[in-house]
Amino acid sequence: ELKVEQNPLFLSMQEGKNYTIYCNYSTTSDRLYWYRQDPGKSLESLFVLLSNGAVKQEGRLMASLDTKARLSTLHITAAVHDLSATYFCAVPNAGGTSYGKLTFGQGTILTVHP
Amino acid sequence: GAGVSQSPSNKVTEKGKDVELRCDPISGHTALYWYRQSLGQGLEFLIYFQGNSAPDKSGLPSDRFSAERTGGSVSTLTIQRTQQEDSAVYLCASSPAAGRFNEKLFFGSGTQLSVL
Repeated sequence: ELKVEQNPLFLSMQEGKNYTIYCNYSTTSDRLYWYRQDPGKSLESLFVLLSNGAVKQEGRLMASLDTKARLSTLHITAAVHDLSATYFCAVPNAGGTSYGKLTFGQGTILTVHP
Repeated sequence: GAGVSQSPSNKVTEKGKDVELRCDPISGHTALYWYRQSLGQGLEFLIYFQGNSAPDKSGLPSDRFSAERTGGSVSTLTIQRTQQEDSAVYLCASSPAAGRFNEKLFFGSGTQLSVL
C-alpha cells in the first residue's frame, strides 16, 4: 500500500526566512504533484514533477524530486505572508488505472508571520 | 465553464437521509474524479470516471455510496442513508486525460457535507 508522509505537519515561519518541506513516499513512482490549499478553498496545482531530478520553481517556491530516494522537497525562500496555506504532496497509485488516482500526504500547514 | 463547478457548496442533512452531490467538470475533460477530505482521514480517492465509465471505484467506502456520469460531463455522487462519519468535504476534479500524459487535476471548490 502506497504511503505518503510529509514533514513537518505544522510550520510557523518568520517573514524573510527559508525553510523546506519534505515528502517521502513508500513505493516507486516516476512523478509527484504539489498542491496548495487556502482555508475554505479548494486545491490549486503548484508543481508537476515528472522525472527523477526534476526541479521546478515558481516565485519563492522550488520543488524537486528524487525518485531513487522516494523523496520530494518544497523549498520556501524568503517567506512572505501570502504563502500561508496548507501544502500537499501527492503520488499516483502504482498500477492504478489512472495517474489521477492520487495518494496525498497529510498536508503541511504553513503560517508566515512578521 | 471556466473551472470545475460543484453544487451545493454546503449541505446539512439528517442522519439516514439520502444526498446527491453534483460536479460539472471543465468542458472537454474526459477524466473525472471524486475525493473526500476529512479531518481524520485527510484526502482520500473515491472514484474515477473515464467518459461515462468508472474503471476504478475502489475508494468508495461502502455500498451506500454510488456515482454516475452522463454525457461524458456532469457527475453525481449519491450517499444513501447518511451517517455522521460521512461528514466531510467532497471534492471533484477533472483532467483532460487520465493516461501517462495527464499532468494535473483541476479541483472544484467542494461540497461541505454535514450529517446531524
